[in-house]
Amino acid sequence: AAGVIQSPRHLIKEKRETATLKCYPIPRHDTVYWYQQGPGQDPQFLISFYEKMQSDKGSIPDRFSAQQFSDYHSELNMSSLELGDSALYFCASSPPDRTIGYEQYFGPGTRLTVT
Amino acid sequence: GENVEQHPSTLSVQEGDSAVIKCTYSDSASNYFPWYKQELGKRPQLIIDIRSNVGEKKDQRIAVTLNKTAKHFSLHITETQPEDSAVYFCAASNQDAGNMLTFGGGTRLMVKP
Repeated sequence: AAGVIQSPRHLIKEKRETATLKCYPIPRHDTVYWYQQGPGQDPQFLISFYEKMQSDKGSIPDRFSAQQFSDYHSELNMSSLELGDSALYFCASSPPDRTIGYEQYFGPGTRLTVT
Repeated sequence: GENVEQHPSTLSVQEGDSAVIKCTYSDSASNYFPWYKQELGKRPQLIIDIRSNVGEKKDQRIAVTLNKTAKHFSLHITETQPEDSAVYFCAASNQDAGNMLTFGGGTRLMVKP
C-alpha cells in the first residue's frame, strides 16, 4: 500500500539559511499534519491542513510557514534557521472517512541538521 | 491544552514476559488514543488505538485499556519478543476538533533474550 512520502530525507543547512520540506500524503487522504521531534523527545505538533486550508496551529515558530496544495501535498518552509531547529520533521496524513474517525499515518521523516 | 504523561520512561523485561505502559491525559474532550512504536531514526508506526466509546481493544499480543473516568489508558504487550524492543509513545487527540496528537514522553522498552 502507498505510504506518506517525504522529501528530502536528509537536509543539512547553515544558520540563517532557509529550508523547504515536502510531504505527499497517502492517496485520497485530505488532511496533513506536521510534527517536529527533537533528539530523545516526543513528536510535537506544528500545524495541520484540511482540504488545503490551515486547520490547526501548534508550537510552530513564526519563522516557519506551511501550505497545502491542490494535489494535497504540503510544504513546510523554514527561514532564518537556528541550531535548535535541528530535528526530525514528520508529516502524517489521515483519510476523509469521518464516520469512523481518522488515524494518522506517518511518513519516514526529514532529518534536518543546522550547522 | 492537552497534557499526556507516560510511565515508565524505560522498561526492561525478559523475553516472554509481559510489558505494561501507562498514560494519563488531562483534557476530558480527548476521544482518541493511539499508540505508536518507533525504532531509532524511523517513523512512528501506529500499532493499536482506542476510541472513547470503547473500554478495551485487543490485537494478537497487544491490548489497550481505557478508563475515561480516571483519564488513563494503558498498553499491554504479552509474550514479548526481542523485536518488540523500541520506544513506545501514547497519544491523545480530540477527533471532533482538529485531531492533532499530543504525545506522551515515550517509553523505551528493552526485551532481553
